[in-house]
Amino acid sequence: DQQVKQNSPSLSVQEGRISILNCDYTNSMFDYFLWYKKYPAEGPTFLISISSIKDKNEDGRFTVFLNKSAKHLSLHIVPSQPGDSAVYFCAASGRRFQKLVFGTGTRLLVSP
Amino acid sequence: KAGVTQTPRYLIKTRGQQVTLSCSPISGHRSVSWYQQTPGQGLQFLFEYFSETQRNKGNFPGRFSGRQFSNSRSEMNVSTLELGDSALYLCASSPDPLGSGNTIYFGEGSWLTVV
Repeated sequence: DQQVKQNSPSLSVQEGRISILNCDYTNSMFDYFLWYKKYPAEGPTFLISISSIKDKNEDGRFTVFLNKSAKHLSLHIVPSQPGDSAVYFCAASGRRFQKLVFGTGTRLLVSP
Repeated sequence: KAGVTQTPRYLIKTRGQQVTLSCSPISGHRSVSWYQQTPGQGLQFLFEYFSETQRNKGNFPGRFSGRQFSNSRSEMNVSTLELGDSALYLCASSPDPLGSGNTIYFGEGSWLTVV
């Protein structure tokens, strides 16, 4: 039972354009969501997070949107850069769900 | 401030053997959690330790175990290795337990190959 789903295994975007990565979840006990970026042969690095009391959080080129009613979150990267090419994982946790559940990842390729 | 350190980075083991992986968290972090990454499966939660106590465990067989020491360093052990245990094992640390609304920080992982 995949509680956190990233239905797009890959995404290709041109440099300078917007990248939108999507994530859906099923467990209503999740109240904290995170995005991580992972390069090959490295551990995941934290990008941005959002609590369920918010619907948007922004940090530089990265913005995460949360739609609780749809149990959906998205990560927007604007403008996209070639160095953003990596695998992006969304993850979910919660006070009443004390694990961290990851999606299967979306591989983003930003071409010059 | 040093990051999360995992050792060894790479290792090859034979089926039936056992392996111990080590994780040193960021200084001051008391929560250590472990994850397995395999192709197409994302990162799967193994277990979390906080203040030397296992708080939660994922859906893995009993061959997977761990512990945490008083200095917050953690080890995970896999006994009777199977080919399917070949994966990247990631350790992460945070100041507070999972579910506290905190960010967790990952090490670079230990690549285990079982032959």
